[in-house]
Amino acid sequence: KAGVTQTPRYLIKTRGQQVTLSCSPISGHRSVSWYQQTPGQGLQFLFEYFSETQRNKGNFPGRFSGRQFSNSRSEMNVSTLELGDSALYLCASSSGGWTDTQYFGPGTRLTVL
Amino acid sequence: AQSVSQHNHHVILSEAASLELGCNYSYGGTVNLFWYVQYPGQHLQLLLKYFSGDPLVKGIKGFEAEFIKSKFSFNLRKPSVQWSDTAEYFCAVNAPGTASKLTFGTGTRLQVTL
Repeated sequence: KAGVTQTPRYLIKTRGQQVTLSCSPISGHRSVSWYQQTPGQGLQFLFEYFSETQRNKGNFPGRFSGRQFSNSRSEMNVSTLELGDSALYLCASSSGGWTDTQYFGPGTRLTVL
Repeated sequence: AQSVSQHNHHVILSEAASLELGCNYSYGGTVNLFWYVQYPGQHLQLLLKYFSGDPLVKGIKGFEAEFIKSKFSFNLRKPSVQWSDTAEYFCAVNAPGTASKLTFGTGTRLQVTL
């Protein structure tokens, strides 16, 4: 089985712009979760989508949003970028049960100038 | 809400030394516990997980962890580390009702010297 894929792998944006990141889960997985990884805050949960519905949400401002398509692929969008949004954004997929293992993608490295 | 503490931020060991990385969580109910590893330049990979049964869990690459409910701990161990174990290690927890949401500790950077 192919693993979780994320595109693009690297992005450079300027403050005020918006960005869309994409995640393709492992085939058959219906849950996609997004995490932000920074040196200062570590790994923080953004949100989770399951069968096209947001099932969980972390403590991030409304500038961070996401969606999931019928084929389980997911996108996350960050509007009005700030310098502090520079981070590695990780996507993870699973079957969706709370005991299921989450499999992580390689991440998208976002740099905001 | 659950939280996870990893006490060791940076650990330096010589090859063949034994490893124990601490992880404590705060949550009053049933939890699943995970250890993930992030090798340099690679993505997060699952080392092992506990959700029920034998509290001593064995994972890949010779790692094991013991769940001690009374201490809210899930420490990671390896009897003899190798240079290739150099990586960052993350402890994580999730709970019923939060589905796939993982709460991570801040991570422990392990450096193994030859």
